Amino acid sequence: AQTVTQSQPEMSVQEAETVTLSCTYDTSESDYYLFWYKQPPSRQMILVIRQEAYKQQNATENRFSVNFQKAAKSFSLKISDSQLGDAAMYFCAYPTSSGSARQLTFGSGTQLTVLP
Amino acid sequence: DGGITQSPKYLFRKEGQNVTLSCEQNLNHDAMYWYRQDPGQGLRLIYYSQIVNDFQKGDIAEGYSVSREKKESFPLTVTSAQKNPTAFYLCASSKGTWEGVSEAFFGQGTRLTVV
Repeated sequence: AQTVTQSQPEMSVQEAETVTLSCTYDTSESDYYLFWYKQPPSRQMILVIRQEAYKQQNATENRFSVNFQKAAKSFSLKISDSQLGDAAMYFCAYPTSSGSARQLTFGSGTQLTVLP
Repeated sequence: DGGITQSPKYLFRKEGQNVTLSCEQNLNHDAMYWYRQDPGQGLRLIYYSQIVNDFQKGDIAEGYSVSREKKESFPLTVTSAQKNPTAFYLCASSKGTWEGVSEAFFGQGTRLTVV
């Protein structure tokens, strides 16, 4: 079965510090996208960052960056200079296959608390 | 502005009733999805559709039904056969599923409560 695993149900970080959220996935494909989504208390799902598997360079979006280890099937999210507004549930997501179709499969999420 | 609109934001259902959740997108996306989210948990796929007049069951399709008569619309009906329908429902769309899945864009969700 194709799965996405987030092993940290909860994490906390001090404001202005750095935190890393982990995600592992299982696939036999060679080219695919990986995504991190953020869900704040409003429950609106917001795309944080995406990584293309064929690119060796790790994706970066302002204070958010990924550490993509393709061989290890690991896709962690690093948040630098954490801000109070970063407090949210974070989900990693990966396209899984069902016959000819693909859909996004989500991990169980990591609840991030930012401490002032 | 392009986006996905879900309605209503809150919905109350009496036991034994069917209810329909609306999802409309103007992003010209081919693929649309319905996810269910229970408190403190991740998203589970209910149904998805790659093109008009076609849809497939996801992981938890029992007790739900969908239609895709227009590219822009993908309504979800929660039937009386769904024994535990109280949850937060999210609709999403993406460019397509054939060559790969681009990022999904989400609506603001519908919170369904059985009373």
